[in-house]
Amino acid sequence: DAGITQSPRHKVTETGTPVTLRCHQTENHRYMYWYRQDPGHGLRLIHYSYGVKDTDKGEVSDGYSVSRSKTEDFLLTLESATSSQTSVYFCAISESGQGYYEQYFGPGTRLTVT
Amino acid sequence: GQQVMQIPQYQHVQEGEDFTTYCNSSTTLSNIQWYKQRPGGHPVFLIQLVKSGEVKKQKRLTFQFGEAKKNSSLHITATQTTDVGTYFCAGQTGANNLFFGTGTRLTVIP
Repeated sequence: DAGITQSPRHKVTETGTPVTLRCHQTENHRYMYWYRQDPGHGLRLIHYSYGVKDTDKGEVSDGYSVSRSKTEDFLLTLESATSSQTSVYFCAISESGQGYYEQYFGPGTRLTVT
Repeated sequence: GQQVMQIPQYQHVQEGEDFTTYCNSSTTLSNIQWYKQRPGGHPVFLIQLVKSGEVKKQKRLTFQFGEAKKNSSLHITATQTTDVGTYFCAGQTGANNLFFGTGTRLTVIP
């Protein structure tokens, strides 16, 4: 498995509170991604990064922000958590975003918003 | 926007039976990737197809990319209990990000 860790692995939080999820890689890959996985929807891209301080929105970015101050770390913040953000969140990395490069996924974070 | 539809959503098979999942895109793809996710696990890359009509095999798994590069399939011959999981296709158009299908959850009954 690629060197990707996510923290925390499980979190329960209350509606309206801010939450930050962390993804850490040891592969020195340029691209990092945050996905959410929900039944019936597969994996949906939230935000991605193509370098330090370079980020862009994905398909379902509303209510989320990201930051990447170091190559190895990509943070996902839920500014004010809502019950609709209860999901499993996966971080992924790839050498490049220009096609032909597979993505390696972290173990996931299960987030429950009550 | 780009959409990748995958069918069926669920499939239950007896061990030893074959299994196929299909992936269809609304747009022409530059390449398509397949991933497997075991229950409770994370998606793991299986293979990538790039050329029109391409066929690749990995032991009992056969992957095909359609001539028009809008559809793909994964066929498993003689399923085993180790094949259990959800199989995702993920398509890409040009320099855009991967767009994942909704997945097919395979259950293998011993």
